[in-house]
Amino acid sequence: EVQLVESGGDLVQPGGSLRLSCAASGFTFSSYWMHWVRQAPGKGPVWVSRINNDGSSTSYADSVKGRFTISRDNAKNTLYLQMNSLRAEDTAVYYCARDMIGFDPWGQGTLVTVSS
Amino acid sequence: EIVMTQSPATLSVSPGERATLSCRASQSVSSYLAWYQQKPGQAPRLLIYGASTRATGIPARFSGSGSGTEFTLTISSLQSEDFAVYYCQQYNNWPKTFGQGTKVEIK
Repeated sequence: EVQLVESGGDLVQPGGSLRLSCAASGFTFSSYWMHWVRQAPGKGPVWVSRINNDGSSTSYADSVKGRFTISRDNAKNTLYLQMNSLRAEDTAVYYCARDMIGFDPWGQGTLVTVSS
Repeated sequence: EIVMTQSPATLSVSPGERATLSCRASQSVSSYLAWYQQKPGQAPRLLIYGASTRATGIPARFSGSGSGTEFTLTISSLQSEDFAVYYCQQYNNWPKTFGQGTKVEIK
């Protein structure tokens, strides 16, 4: 079964940092591009970042560029999102998703709350 | 950035009835359009890609149509498990943008 499991979400103060992880199983992780998508309460999903299959190419939404870093460890079948200089508007459930034609599947999500 | 606009925001439908959801793109996305279903507390699930191709395991009562800037998701006969929020997403241009969603609720 193809599965993605996120972890690392927490309550953090504005200006703080957090690293999210996404453990993949059931497919050849190193063959796929991967994404992070976030969803604020009551809002639609918003794409955050993507990484190609070998980690040599990345891109980011303007809202997180310079603050967030996506990376992957294909030996560990794990995707990461390092989030620095966090702001209140970064509060959301963060999902990892595999790049297919569309995003499929998604993980169950991990909640990041930025508040003092 | 391509803006995706969904209508209506909420659709009230009785079980067994047909539901028609709309999605409009601010510029052409060809057929690079996906639909997702999201139930409370769950992640979105891919329903349709390429505007009209059902994803693996998706029942035939779900169908998609359209190209360019106008798209439609039709649920032919609503089942209890279909009451959820539906999002469209374009993947023709970066960033891959989503609509704000249509909530399908029980009438």
